Amino acid sequence: KAGVTQTPRYLIKTRGQQVTLSCSPISGHRSVSWYQQTPGQGLQFLFEYFSETQRNKGNFPGRFSGRQFSNSRSEMNVSTLELGDSALYLCASSIGTSLTTGELFFGEGSRLTVL
Amino acid sequence: QKEVEQNSGPLSVPEGAIASLNCTYSDRGSQSFFWYRQYSGKSPELIMFIYSNGDKEDGRFTAQLNKASQYVSLLIRDSQPSDSATYLCAVVQGAQKLVFGQGTRLTINP
Repeated sequence: KAGVTQTPRYLIKTRGQQVTLSCSPISGHRSVSWYQQTPGQGLQFLFEYFSETQRNKGNFPGRFSGRQFSNSRSEMNVSTLELGDSALYLCASSIGTSLTTGELFFGEGSRLTVL
Repeated sequence: QKEVEQNSGPLSVPEGAIASLNCTYSDRGSQSFFWYRQYSGKSPELIMFIYSNGDKEDGRFTAQLNKASQYVSLLIRDSQPSDSATYLCAVVQGAQKLVFGQGTRLTINP
């Protein structure tokens, strides 16, 4: 069974540009969550989607957005990139409708560097 | 106050000893608690979850939960060099938001 797939794995952008990251969850998983991981802040929750609906959102500015498609694949977009957006962006999928009983399966991440 | 707090370490433990990792959380209504392990350069993977007060054992790992004190811990018995990793405590807030602590970096010394 294939795991969570994230593309691209590495990318370099300059300030002011925008970026789109893609995530394909494990087959059968309908929930996708996105996290930003940095050495200083750790893993920070961005948002979570289930059946194409955003169910929860973290404390990030509106420059960070996401969506989920009918096949459960998800994308996140960051516009007007800032140096501080340099991070590892992790996508995670889960099988259930509630995290209270389910676990997250993480992809290997997309490492974004903003110059 | 951070939602989930962990001592970032590094925590250094000799091989064969017990490693004790601690985590406190701020949301008294939290019901589900997870421990994830993250090897350097890899993504987090779930190793334990606990919902009820008390202890839960799985092999060399024991998770302990005390909701009154808002405290959850992970004990690793007979620590092995392969246990060297960052351990992330995670707490479900509401129904769909999993909040992670900063992680504790654990090093097992042969």
